[in-house]
Amino acid sequence: AQRVTQPEKLLSVFKGAPVELKCNYSYSGSPELFWYVQYSRQRLQLLLRHISRESIKGFTADLNKGETSFHLKKPFAQEEDSAMYYCALFTGGGNKLTFGTGTQLKVEL
Amino acid sequence: GAVVSQHPSRVICKSGTSVKIECRSLDFQATTMFWYRQFPKQSLMLMATSNEGSKATYEQGVEKDKFLINHASLTLSTLTVTSAHPEDSSFYICSAPGRSYNEQFFGPGTRLTVL
Repeated sequence: AQRVTQPEKLLSVFKGAPVELKCNYSYSGSPELFWYVQYSRQRLQLLLRHISRESIKGFTADLNKGETSFHLKKPFAQEEDSAMYYCALFTGGGNKLTFGTGTQLKVEL
Repeated sequence: GAVVSQHPSRVICKSGTSVKIECRSLDFQATTMFWYRQFPKQSLMLMATSNEGSKATYEQGVEKDKFLINHASLTLSTLTVTSAHPEDSSFYICSAPGRSYNEQFFGPGTRLTVL
């Protein structure tokens, strides 16, 4: 069965410091991975997907199949980055998303 | 972008009553919608997949008779929590896939409190 693991419940960094939110997955098929973000009092929204190999709001994430990881990175954290981040694995059967437990990022001044 | 709405945003009910939550895709059609449950500071747990014109597909461990799902049209899915109990209190979120089959748009969620 598929599984997404986010080992850190809370990550606190200072403004301007690098950020890395960890995500590991377990899936027998070809993985499609996403990062979703939930800002305070807002709905969950897509941040980025590994297929696009894009950088959104300065965030990037590289799929490492060898390590089964999809860590989210940003070189310089900003205060507005404070939010809840969820790593998600898309499984084609049923078009379902499996979410990790989420990491609360807190950027301090 | 695609917008998904939910109604109500929060509801408080007495134990034993039934509560209906609506999920609407406002500017696009959705033959499939997903219902999640989120406990405080925990992840989203997929409860069921709502299918327009056919029965919903429930995840393992989710009671079909307790959580009734009806996908009435291409823009509306409803979740009815029947005979609600305090342990059903939670945050219920729906989502619908957009044009990209693997991208989902989420509703704002409904906070259910059962007294």
